[in-house]
Amino acid sequence: AQSVTQPDIHITVSEGASLELRCNYSYGATPYLFWYVQSPGQGLQLLLKYFSGDTLVQGIKGFEAEFKRSQSSFNLRKPSVHWSDAAEYFCAVGFMEYGNKLVFGAGTILRVKS
Amino acid sequence: DSGVTQTPKHLITATGQRVTLRCSPRSGDLSVYWYQQSLDQGLQFLIQYYNGEERAKGNILERFSAQQFPDLHSELNLSSLELGDSALYFCASSVGQGHGYTFGSGTRLTVV
Repeated sequence: AQSVTQPDIHITVSEGASLELRCNYSYGATPYLFWYVQSPGQGLQLLLKYFSGDTLVQGIKGFEAEFKRSQSSFNLRKPSVHWSDAAEYFCAVGFMEYGNKLVFGAGTILRVKS
Repeated sequence: DSGVTQTPKHLITATGQRVTLRCSPRSGDLSVYWYQQSLDQGLQFLIQYYNGEERAKGNILERFSAQQFPDLHSELNLSSLELGDSALYFCASSVGQGHGYTFGSGTRLTVV
């Protein structure tokens, strides 16, 4: 069965430090890949997406993600975290034979220390 | 403003009752998706509609139903409510396959 794993439930980083959030998926082919961010009490905002082509994709708010087929991973990175980045981050995977249905990971809560 | 409108924002109701959640998709988007977000289950896909037709079903209970109207807005009906149905219910819309979703701000349902 298709699945999405975000192994880190919580991550705490200092402001200005770099960030990497991990995401792994289980699927036989290359899926569509997304990262969303959710602030408390808010909806989910799309940060970036990967469909094909260049495996390093740039998103909003200075985020980027790299698709690694050999590792079935799509990790989210940011070189310098700001306090306003504190939120919950969700990796999502779209599986082609299921139309446009997205399966979400459990999320990673990011805390930023000042 | 994402362009996806959900009403109401908050809903408090008693067990056994029925409620209707409403979603207006972003202009031009034909697909509407409903998700339930709870602390223990995370984001769970409920159901998808495309241009008025049901396209995919996820972990949706039989007590729940949905539909998409000709003007493309969608309603999620939850009946015989139980305490465990308390959650955030999100609607999202999409223009097509692989384009990701645009989410609404959600309806927080509290069943007491």
